[in-house]
Amino acid sequence: SAVISQKPSRDICQRGTSLTIQCQVDSQVTMMFWYRQQPGQSLTLIATANQGSEATYESGFVIDKFPISRPNLTFSTLTVSNMSPEDSSIYLCSVPGIHMNTEAFFGQGTRLTVV
Amino acid sequence: SQQGEEDPQALSIQEGENATMNCSYKTSINNLQWYRQNSGRGLVHLILIRSNEREKHSGRLRVTLDTSKKSSSLLITASRAADTASYFCATQRAGGTSYGKLTFGQGTILTVHP
Repeated sequence: SAVISQKPSRDICQRGTSLTIQCQVDSQVTMMFWYRQQPGQSLTLIATANQGSEATYESGFVIDKFPISRPNLTFSTLTVSNMSPEDSSIYLCSVPGIHMNTEAFFGQGTRLTVV
Repeated sequence: SQQGEEDPQALSIQEGENATMNCSYKTSINNLQWYRQNSGRGLVHLILIRSNEREKHSGRLRVTLDTSKKSSSLLITASRAADTASYFCATQRAGGTSYGKLTFGQGTILTVHP
């Protein structure tokens, strides 16, 4: 199993500012994932953070809005840039299981409110 | 993109009753997983069923998978107030490039009344 420490757990931010969310894993992993959960909605994959290469973004998400860093195999950050109230969501990082048919692991999430 | 749909969207039952939630998906999958989320916090993994399995049990949980219908169900037996949470199904698509990526259903909000 993997233990993921995500911070901050919550924040209230002014529109137009940026917030960087950190995700630390207790073991080395090749891939990390970032998800967004808008209020009352399900989770949507934002991007895959690959160590040693640029992140891969899903349709509807762009690097300028959600820049991602992956400096090593245990750490990643997601920045929510130039925030608006529509960015108010829970953001979660995740790592896959050790092989294809094992469970994924999630951080506790960052609850972001933009005012 | 969201590919899964779950029903019901909300379910309210009494303690001791069984709760059944359904999930449908659209593409070929390697596995389907069920997660619980309490009060908008992190996800807790409940059970994983592989594409070549039809039924799986874990404690009070029973999951079925019908790949011909692209659907799954989660049954929680003898529910407790502590089972109150949102439940999500998530699929891992078939294909090597999808390793680790999950596509989530819309979720079912379960309320168990004492």
